[in-house]
Amino acid sequence: DAKTTQPNSMESNEEEPVHLPCNHSTISGTDYIHWYRQLPSQGPEYVIHGLTSNVNNRMASLAIAEDRKSSTLILHRATLRDAAVYYCILRNYGGSQGNLIFGKGTKLSVKP
Amino acid sequence: NAGVTQTPKFRVLKTGQSMTLLCAQDMNHEYMYWYRQDPGMGLRLIHYSVGEGTTAKGEVPDGYNVSRLKKQNFLLGLESAAPSQTSVYFCASSRPRGGQETQYFGPGTRLLVL
Repeated sequence: DAKTTQPNSMESNEEEPVHLPCNHSTISGTDYIHWYRQLPSQGPEYVIHGLTSNVNNRMASLAIAEDRKSSTLILHRATLRDAAVYYCILRNYGGSQGNLIFGKGTKLSVKP
Repeated sequence: NAGVTQTPKFRVLKTGQSMTLLCAQDMNHEYMYWYRQDPGMGLRLIHYSVGEGTTAKGEVPDGYNVSRLKKQNFLLGLESAAPSQTSVYFCASSRPRGGQETQYFGPGTRLLVL
């Protein structure tokens, strides 16, 4: 699986939008972009994923660059409960098993 | 649905002792995984299973064994615990969906080896 690069940490104010970037310059045409987050003292949880088009769900939006070398996870209105480590992970369509390769992620702090 | 559950939540072992961590899922998932997470790090895969009766090694398998006798359960064993195995252990499960697969994680087991 190709490598991703994320900032170590970011800060946001409560009720403001947050844009979490991820670079994946070596992404292949069949790699899906996944985002997971890990709240303090909990297991990771799935947030969103996409291949080429932007995606929205109840938790967040995923904006994918046209060349797919970067993506951005968007939290439209950050809450204190969104403080977590966010992981950007690539998963290949043809992968024989589904283990996720976690980097260090981005630690998001949300200020009231 | 309980999702993915892990037993125990916390355990203290002495060097050389053995123990088994239990993971159970009620989503009828084919795939199950054991990860470990050391402080300030991302998760690393220990072992995984793509079906009942099958297991395979992940990135950091040394010192661990696993078994998947039933589809819903995945056991992680430490035969002779070492301080380097102090970590938080997470179990996950999923259905095979290629690149769109979503993993569901348990709450974790915190293990301290003295």
